[in-house]
Amino acid sequence: GAGVSQTPSNKVTEKGKYVELRCDPISGHTALYWYRQSLGQGPEFLIYFQGTGAADDSGLPNDRFFAVRPEGSVSTLKIQRTERGDSAVYLCASSLIGSSYNEQFFGPGTRLTVL
Amino acid sequence: QQQVKQSPQSLIVQKGGISIINCAYENTAFDYFPWYQQFPGKGPALLIAIRPDVSEKKEGRFTISFNKSAKQFSLHIMDSQPGDSATYFCAASRGSTLGRLYFGRGTQLTVWP
Repeated sequence: GAGVSQTPSNKVTEKGKYVELRCDPISGHTALYWYRQSLGQGPEFLIYFQGTGAADDSGLPNDRFFAVRPEGSVSTLKIQRTERGDSAVYLCASSLIGSSYNEQFFGPGTRLTVL
Repeated sequence: QQQVKQSPQSLIVQKGGISIINCAYENTAFDYFPWYQQFPGKGPALLIAIRPDVSEKKEGRFTISFNKSAKQFSLHIMDSQPGDSATYFCAASRGSTLGRLYFGRGTQLTVWP
């Protein structure tokens, strides 16, 4: 079946603008995760959802970052008043709750560049 | 503070050789330890994973060795191939079935033909 998809693949914006990044998880996966990966670093956790609710949002760096998953499938990561330091690859992953392992399947990411 | 420490940062191995990447952690609540492989421009892909109730897990050319008392685990790639050239990340989570992953900083592996 299809894997995790993310759109857009690349996003260039200007400092101060608002952006939305979309994630389509694997069909049937009820857990959805957002991570951020800076150049030369490992992915850094932002938030994860079980169904529609955020189970852990402790990784969101500040209140400019917000994520939703209104119907328990597609999720949108929203960043307000973007700053140059927000430039990174934003990764989405999904997993099947109830499986025997915490197997998270990642999408290709959205590369965000803030000019 | 880095919850999972990974070394080396980069590794060069000849084709057919053994690649070894090491990770260490402090949080004894971690109970799931995956390794991910990432190619440029792609998302990380799960390679192999282990729970602390076993000391070794092997899948094909890839083996995880786990030392619970030392709080260390390592990835061994036997008969390394040029196609293995990628960045490898170790990770850990407190939930073996759910929850955030804490990633190491990554090891860039280059396998020379």
